Amino acid sequence: GENVEQHPSTLSVQEGDSAVIKCTYSDSASNYFPWYKQELGKRPQLIIDIRSNVGEKKDQRIAVTLNKTAKHFSLHITETQPEDSAVYFCAASKSNQGGKLIFGQGTELSVKP
Amino acid sequence: KAGVTQTPRYLIKTRGQQVTLSCSPISGHRSVSWYQQTPGQGLQFLFEYFSETQRNKGNFPGRFSGRQFSNSRSEMNVSTLELGDSALYLCASSLRLAGGQETQYFGPGTRLLVL
Repeated sequence: GENVEQHPSTLSVQEGDSAVIKCTYSDSASNYFPWYKQELGKRPQLIIDIRSNVGEKKDQRIAVTLNKTAKHFSLHITETQPEDSAVYFCAASKSNQGGKLIFGQGTELSVKP
Repeated sequence: KAGVTQTPRYLIKTRGQQVTLSCSPISGHRSVSWYQQTPGQGLQFLFEYFSETQRNKGNFPGRFSGRQFSNSRSEMNVSTLELGDSALYLCASSLRLAGGQETQYFGPGTRLLVL
């Protein structure tokens, strides 16, 4: 069935370093890949998304890359700050099931000052 | 615009009872999706409603059901509660334009504890 694998489950970096989180999806029909950030006790919030017709997208310190052939997509955060500390979730969906997001297991990112 | 709202925010029930959770989407959004979040299973899709019709369904037992009203507000119901139903239940709304996927905006969730 549909599955999204996310690694690593925990990630600790020093402030100013870069962080990379990787996801692999199983359904080749998936064509929309959002990333959500969830702070403790808060709702998930979209930070960036990418569609299958694009290989890379960047928004200030955050970028996402997509490799459709390998069915991989990754989140890159540069110049990390303590406020980036949160749990990050990747997800995938496909056109005929647009309202159904399949989520990865999450990565707990800790940015140490 | 006001964000997605969910009521109640916290709920304590006992095994065997049933519960109804409510979700009000962002004004103009016609799609509401429901997710269950637990430490062990992460975020799992329950179902999606669009224009009062269930469009997608996840792999949950029939005890989990939902509906959507003409104003796009949605409710989900869990009957015969089990201890394992303790979770944060999140709803998300989106515009759900034809042929594409749009950003899903999440509500704050309802935290359900089953004793």
